[in-house]
Amino acid sequence: DTAVSQTPKYLVTQMGNDKSIKCEQNLGHDTMYWYKQDSKKFLKIMFSYNNKELIINETVPNRFSPKSPDKAHLNLHINSLELGDSAVYFCASSQEGTGFGGYTFGSGTRLTVV
Amino acid sequence: GQQLNQSPQSMFIQEGEDVSMNCTSSSIFNTWLWYKQEPGEGPVLLIALYKAGELTSNGRLTAQFGITRKDSFLNISASIPSDVGIYFCAGQLNYGQNFVFGPGTRLSVLP
Repeated sequence: DTAVSQTPKYLVTQMGNDKSIKCEQNLGHDTMYWYKQDSKKFLKIMFSYNNKELIINETVPNRFSPKSPDKAHLNLHINSLELGDSAVYFCASSQEGTGFGGYTFGSGTRLTVV
Repeated sequence: GQQLNQSPQSMFIQEGEDVSMNCTSSSIFNTWLWYKQEPGEGPVLLIALYKAGELTSNGRLTAQFGITRKDSFLNISASIPSDVGIYFCAGQLNYGQNFVFGPGTRLSVLP
C-alpha cells in the first residue's frame, strides 16, 4: 500500500506542450510538496502546500502551478514546457508544520522534454 | 538561503568496510534528517535527529546531531552491496520551516 504515489512514472513530451503530474498520499499528512531533482541530483523545493497556505519557491517559473483538489492530493501542472524542465519531479508529504518524521517521498516522475 | 555541504561527494569502498560521511552548514539547525535514494526511487528516510548531541542508530547505520548544531554525521558499519545509493542530509532551520537538502554523497560498494 504505497504511502505517496505519483503518476506517471515517465513522461516524454514535446516543447510547448502542457502536462500534469498527479500525486496522492494516504498518510493523513497535512502538508504536501513538490521537489525537482536535476541531472546532478540536487533536490530543490518548488512548492509546499497545506489547506491554509501555498508557499512557492520564488525561483519557480509561473508556468508551474500546483492544484490540490483535497488534502490527499497535490497535482503539478506545467504549461508551455521547455527543454530545461527535463528533470525528475518528486512529490512528498509531512505532518503539518513539524519536522517530526520528516518527509515521505513518492518514487518520482521522470520528465523528458524533446 | 541556507546551504548544506556534504562530504565526501562520492566514495568507493569494499564490501565489509565502514563508511563515514558528514553534512555541514554555516547556520544552526534544530532538526537533521538522513535519507537514502536508490536509482529510480525517491529518497527514503533513514534517521531523524532532534537534539544536539543526539546519537541514533538504525541497524548498521548510526547518525549524530553535532554539538554545534551546524553539522551531522552518518556512519554505516560493515557495508554491503545494497548500501549503494545517494545519501542526503536535510536540515530544518526552525520549527515549521521547510527542510533544506544537501547535494548528497554517492556511495558505491565493491564486492
